[in-house]
Amino acid sequence: ELKVEQNPLFLSMQEGKNYTIYCNYSTTSDRLYWYRQDPGKSLESLFVLLSNGAVKQEGRLMASLDTKARLSTLHITAAVHDLSATYFCAVDGETSGSRLTFGEGTQLTVNP
Amino acid sequence: DGGITQSPKYLFRKEGQNVTLSCEQNLNHDAMYWYRQDPGQGLRLIYYSQIVNDFQKGDIAEGYSVSREKKESFPLTVTSAQKNPTAFYLCASSIPSGGSQKTQYFGPGTRLLVL
Repeated sequence: ELKVEQNPLFLSMQEGKNYTIYCNYSTTSDRLYWYRQDPGKSLESLFVLLSNGAVKQEGRLMASLDTKARLSTLHITAAVHDLSATYFCAVDGETSGSRLTFGEGTQLTVNP
Repeated sequence: DGGITQSPKYLFRKEGQNVTLSCEQNLNHDAMYWYRQDPGQGLRLIYYSQIVNDFQKGDIAEGYSVSREKKESFPLTVTSAQKNPTAFYLCASSIPSGGSQKTQYFGPGTRLLVL
């Protein structure tokens, strides 16, 4: 069974600071997805990482994938309040067909 | 505009009642999914369908049923057997399963409450 673990689950940080969210998974995969969810809203796709060493950046967020370590990171640079949301990673296991397995989510709060 | 629509936005269920949540997509996606999200929790997969007239149970299928008669539509019925249905229900779809990328695109969600 594919397991996906995010760390930390809750993150409170000040504006202007940097931090990293980690996503570990338990089986071979070279496809990983990051989503954002605002309170009371649906999920929005942020990044798609499709190979070992893939790096994607959008504004203050940068995601990377290390398939050998079974680890993805979401790095936040100089956080701003608008980044406050819950961030989910999801993994596409090689034998899972079309389904994704989601992590528990990291609830990020950026304080002024 | 292409996208996924879910209706209603809010749904109230009485004890012993079956209710049906609608999910429609015009993205020409083969695969569709239903997730349940409880407050402060992650997503749990209820059912998914990779092709018309076929669907598979997810991790928490008990008390739910689905159909996939059309590519565009994947309705979810919450039956009276589901004793704790209060949650946020999310529908998603993804590009054909033979592709290398399986990004799932989500609808706006339906919030189900028990009266």
